[in-house]
Amino acid sequence: KQEVTQIPAALSVPEGENLVLNCSFTDSAIYNLQWFRQDPGKGLTSLLLIQSSQREQTSGRLNASLDKSSGRSTLYIAASQPGDSATYLCAVTASYGKLTFGQGTILTVHP
Amino acid sequence: GAGVSQTPSNKVTEKGKYVELRCDPISGHTALYWYRQSLGQGPEFLIYFQGTGAADDSGLPNDRFFAVRPEGSVSTLKIQRTERGDSAVYLCASSSEPENIQYFGAGTRLSVL
Repeated sequence: KQEVTQIPAALSVPEGENLVLNCSFTDSAIYNLQWFRQDPGKGLTSLLLIQSSQREQTSGRLNASLDKSSGRSTLYIAASQPGDSATYLCAVTASYGKLTFGQGTILTVHP
Repeated sequence: GAGVSQTPSNKVTEKGKYVELRCDPISGHTALYWYRQSLGQGPEFLIYFQGTGAADDSGLPNDRFFAVRPEGSVSTLKIQRTERGDSAVYLCASSSEPENIQYFGAGTRLSVL
């Protein structure tokens, strides 16, 4: 059974810092990996999707890497802003799209 | 509509009652997923539809839970004899090929008193 773990569970940083969120998964036979953002009372927004054959994806200040063989992914956020405060979820996908999520990292960026 | 719509946004019910949660996917999306998210946890998979049929219902916790998608669009998640442990946010997502990115609704917060 696939298990996804995210470290740290919570992170508080001052505005402007670069930060790294970590995700690990137990079964390397994945189709792809996604990072999502969740704001309180709202649904999930997909930030980055990395196919199993890819090593990284970038979008603006976000960069996600994937090391499938070791079962790890990182989400790098550059120059953090208070608007980045949210819960970040990592999820891996089986062949048809069923997502298995980690428990999330609660990020707080304070001015 | 432009996104996935879930109704109601909040539902409060008493233990033992029956509830229905509705999901309107993005128009044209053939795949539809239900997830359940408990406080402080990531979402957990419940069931996946491809068109009208449930292709994978392995995440449904027991036979009190049932979901339908009779015309391949709107889906209803039905919970019988609700228990306090059913309290959670129920999320719906839809996707289409070849993109296969799941777009989520805002969820229904179910509270069983």
